[in-house]
Amino acid sequence: ETGVTQTPRHLVMGMTNKKSLKCEQHLGHNAMYWYKQSAKKPLELMFVYSLEERVENNSVPSRFSPECPNSSHLFLHLHTLQPEDSALYLCASSQELGQPQHFGDGTRLSIL
Amino acid sequence: RKEVEQDPGPFNVPEGATVAFNCTYSNSASQSFFWYRQDCRKEPKLLMSVYSSGNEDGRFTAQLNRASQYISLLIRDSKLSDSATYLCVVNWGRRALTFGSGTRLQVQP
Repeated sequence: ETGVTQTPRHLVMGMTNKKSLKCEQHLGHNAMYWYKQSAKKPLELMFVYSLEERVENNSVPSRFSPECPNSSHLFLHLHTLQPEDSALYLCASSQELGQPQHFGDGTRLSIL
Repeated sequence: RKEVEQDPGPFNVPEGATVAFNCTYSNSASQSFFWYRQDCRKEPKLLMSVYSSGNEDGRFTAQLNRASQYISLLIRDSKLSDSATYLCVVNWGRRALTFGSGTRLQVQP
């Protein structure tokens, strides 16, 4: 039973759609992260938040827009995505920045 | 050079075997080290931290060699359930951890 919950588990969308991925952590952690995992590639860090403040943005295209309304919730807003954006999107949290992270189950995203 | 480098494998071993993975990292200022395990189509899960003096957790032993900039994971008496991808993870004071691309282990009956 993970303390980090992601919804939806699977998402299929067209390139012109707008959707959002949601992440909620029940661990009382202060830091949250979005990662992208494509087939046969290492985890790619996308965004880092600490106490609701974005502290890192790793050259992610603007079609991905994060939002952290409070320390327990993290969103990833998607619009006009490309087929190469199809991947597993993982949310993680940690007590503080740089500490071991707990991951959610991920959202498997497919762009048609 | 990759920041964290691992042999992708797969390592195919019989049940009961001992298997070891190495991982090298490029930044000598690295401060903390972890091994994560990721099952197929699942999220990564923390397996163990790696301490300077080496540490053991049941059948798993982790070692750190700062001089040569590598960490290792040894699995004794392999079980079928150990089949997974093992991710080497390093933190050198950045805000987030840096993950290797993983070593795949397949334990066969």
